[in-house]
Amino acid sequence: SAVISQKPSRDICQRGTSLTIQCQVDSQVTMMFWYRQQPGQSLTLIATANQGSEATYESGFVIDKFPISRPNLTFSTLTVSNMSPEDSSIYLCSVEDHLGQKGIYGYTFGSGTRLTVV
Amino acid sequence: AQSVTQLGSHVSVSEGALVLLRCNYSSSVPPYLFWYVQYPNQGLQLLLKYTSAATLVKGINGFEAEFKKSETSFHLTKPSAHMSDAAEYFCAVSFSGGYNKLIFGAGTRLAVHP
Repeated sequence: SAVISQKPSRDICQRGTSLTIQCQVDSQVTMMFWYRQQPGQSLTLIATANQGSEATYESGFVIDKFPISRPNLTFSTLTVSNMSPEDSSIYLCSVEDHLGQKGIYGYTFGSGTRLTVV
Repeated sequence: AQSVTQLGSHVSVSEGALVLLRCNYSSSVPPYLFWYVQYPNQGLQLLLKYTSAATLVKGINGFEAEFKKSETSFHLTKPSAHMSDAAEYFCAVSFSGGYNKLIFGAGTRLAVHP
């Protein structure tokens, strides 16, 4: 299965600033996904990033707040812009993955970025 | 609309006891179903996945889940709980074999006490 390196693992940021989170995959993948996990909550999909096209955002998430880049098939970034304390969450990237059996797919996740906005 | 419901936000069991975490889904098409585990301060780890090949799915760490179409359920079980099983467990669903998003349940926090 794919191995995902996500950076930074955690950060404490001042309100009004921006943070860019990086996700590097050890194999080429078509789709990458960005999720948010608010404190004590489940995961919510922010957007789907396809290489070579603009990301597709879920309801409640906008590009101005969460711009995403996908320059190639192994890398993506998510920026959290103009941060407020409400943005304090864990942000995770994910890729669709083969689980070692033909035609069997799963989703592998990065270790997450724990963001605290003060 | 597709959705996932996990019954019980907190489950507590004794070490050695049966673990049962409940998951029900709502879907108009055959789903792909997943169970993930999240240990404190860590990312998500796949426990197992239902792919329609077999209704009883065996996963890692002794966990298994049974897909019951008539009950629209995919409950996670483990015969004997270990202290190391204490974690957050998420049921998730997707609706195609590829390029589709996961919809997560709210999660169930499992506590294991001596």
